[in-house]
Amino acid sequence: AQTVTQSQPEMSVQEAETVTLSCTYDTSENNYYLFWYKQPPSRQMILVIRQEAYKQQNATENRFSVNFQKAAKSFSLKISDSQLGDTAMYFCAFRSMFNAGNMLTFGGGTRLMVKP
Amino acid sequence: DAMVIQNPRYQVTQFGKPVTLSCSQTLNHNVMYWYQQKSSQAPKLLFHYYDKDFNNEADTPDNFQSRRPNTSFCFLDIRSPGLGDAAMYLCATTLSGPSTYEQYFGPGTRLTVT
Repeated sequence: AQTVTQSQPEMSVQEAETVTLSCTYDTSENNYYLFWYKQPPSRQMILVIRQEAYKQQNATENRFSVNFQKAAKSFSLKISDSQLGDTAMYFCAFRSMFNAGNMLTFGGGTRLMVKP
Repeated sequence: DAMVIQNPRYQVTQFGKPVTLSCSQTLNHNVMYWYQQKSSQAPKLLFHYYDKDFNNEADTPDNFQSRRPNTSFCFLDIRSPGLGDAAMYLCATTLSGPSTYEQYFGPGTRLTVT
């Protein structure tokens, strides 16, 4: 079974600065998918960024980028130019390629507070 | 816009009184999930439907049941809610397959048990 660990329960960052959220996972599989989801206070969870394990290039979506280290089983999220709207719970998630139901294994989450 | 809709957004029920939460989707996704999320925790998968096939997680209490009458709708029934069942319940959908299809989440139903 896979496990996903987010070692930072809470973090804070000043507006306009950069912050990195950590995620490590454990799997014996070679091909899989990794995701970062964002859950703002009282709002629905949305996908921030995804990474296919077979791709060496790190995924980027505007201000959000990942540092995917496959050998180290690490998948960190970098948020550049932090905005107040980035305040949310962030969940790292793993999905096996061999999982017919496309089920996710979530990490415990990191609560990010962006301060003005 | 295509989306995942959950009703009601807030539900209050009494201890032991059955309650039903609903989820509908306009995405035509074949997989639907129900999660339980307690404060500041990760969502916990209760069960999912792969097309019409129901898949229960091993540690989901028998108190929780689900129905999926058609592709668009899915219901979560809690037969005898206890105080420990107070939580946010999230519905999510996706398309099955090897591609990196994401899960789309609804806004959730916050259940209070009095």
